Amino acid sequence: GAGVSQSPSNKVTEKGKDVELRCDPISGHTALYWYRQSLGQGLEFLIYFQGNSAPDKSGLPSDRFSAERTGGSVSTLTIQRTQQEDSAVYLCASSIQGSGANVLTFGAGSRLTVL
Amino acid sequence: GQNIDQPTEMTATEGAIVQINCTYQTSGFNGLFWYQQHAGEAPTFLSYNVLDGLEEKGRFSSFLSRSKGYSYLLLKELQMKDSASYLCAVRGSNDYKLSFGAGTTVTVRA
Repeated sequence: GAGVSQSPSNKVTEKGKDVELRCDPISGHTALYWYRQSLGQGLEFLIYFQGNSAPDKSGLPSDRFSAERTGGSVSTLTIQRTQQEDSAVYLCASSIQGSGANVLTFGAGSRLTVL
Repeated sequence: GQNIDQPTEMTATEGAIVQINCTYQTSGFNGLFWYQQHAGEAPTFLSYNVLDGLEEKGRFSSFLSRSKGYSYLLLKELQMKDSASYLCAVRGSNDYKLSFGAGTTVTVRA
């Protein structure tokens, strides 16, 4: 597509429920990133996918968080047994790896509210 | 690890100039980025510096001093639509992800 697409744009859930957030990167972009943005905080790196390489999961805050990228394209971020501190905007970005500046293009994000 | 600092808020008048400073301490350096983010929207790329000096792009300019771990974003001829959050981000050497500062909220007043 023309840009990075994320869904849902807003999600309200109850504490303890599982949620899935989806990211459709720009066609042809080999690298995909997930970040989390909490109020008043900088973007926090969560996970990175590049082609067929093993993902860098070093930013995932706990084992309740996981992510997959199927067919080198669409990615799903799953949060199990959600907690109130998981409330944030989850941003996905994609880039063409190895393209000089390697500029990340972001989606508009999925706003998660855990009650 | 990475430590990136920028002011929380700045206010300026339409038509004026504002300079947003960013200081960083990182393990290695492979580029500094500025992004603009309007409320509820995606961050959008503004500029990239990897060598020392000034990069000018229309009303926006970005400066980098690697020896000082310092950058600034200069916004000239401010317009109301420039009211947004400005994010400074650094890529470490042998790295691919960006580390972000908390962002500077710029408010442009008439």
